[in-house]
Amino acid sequence: AQSVTQPDIHITVSEGASLELRCNYSYGATPYLFWYVQSPGQGLQLLLKYFSGDTLVQGIKGFEAEFKRSQSSFNLRKPSVHWSDAAEYFCAVGTGNKLVFGAGTILRVKS
Amino acid sequence: DTAVSQTPKYLVTQMGNDKSIKCEQNLGHDTMYWYKQDSKKFLKIMFSYNNKELIINETVPNRFSPKSPDKAHLNLHINSLELGDSAVYFCASSQDATGELFFGEGSRLTVL
Repeated sequence: AQSVTQPDIHITVSEGASLELRCNYSYGATPYLFWYVQSPGQGLQLLLKYFSGDTLVQGIKGFEAEFKRSQSSFNLRKPSVHWSDAAEYFCAVGTGNKLVFGAGTILRVKS
Repeated sequence: DTAVSQTPKYLVTQMGNDKSIKCEQNLGHDTMYWYKQDSKKFLKIMFSYNNKELIINETVPNRFSPKSPDKAHLNLHINSLELGDSAVYFCASSQDATGELFFGEGSRLTVL
């Protein structure tokens, strides 16, 4: 069965520190991989996506993610976190029109 | 101009009532979706329509009936509301089958 695991429910980082959010997936084939961000009271916004090719993908707002097939992982990173990055982050996998989402990781940024 | 808009944003109602949520997208996309986000923030697909045709129906109770009058609109009607229907319902659209979704702001349904 397809599934996405985000092991960290909450993460707190200091402003200016680096960030890594973990995502592991279980899928029958090589899926498309996504990270979405949800600010309070808002819908989800796409940060970045991986379809094929270079396993390090760049997204909006200075985020990047690396696809590691051997580890079935697609971790999200940012070298220097800003207070405005505080939000909930969702990893998703899928093909076609159907995405399977992880449970999300809430990022808190302390000044 | 909001790309994917949903109404209402908040809905509080009694068990047993019938309610509808409307969704419109002005992105020119062919595919629209309803996702349900429960209290634990799990986001799960319910339905998907491509150009007014139902293409995904994920074991959702038949109290839930989506309707797509045209490819820019996808409404969700829920009959005989139950406590477990309380959730945030997100409408989304996409241009193709790559999974890149554009979400509305969500409609928070509370069933008392």
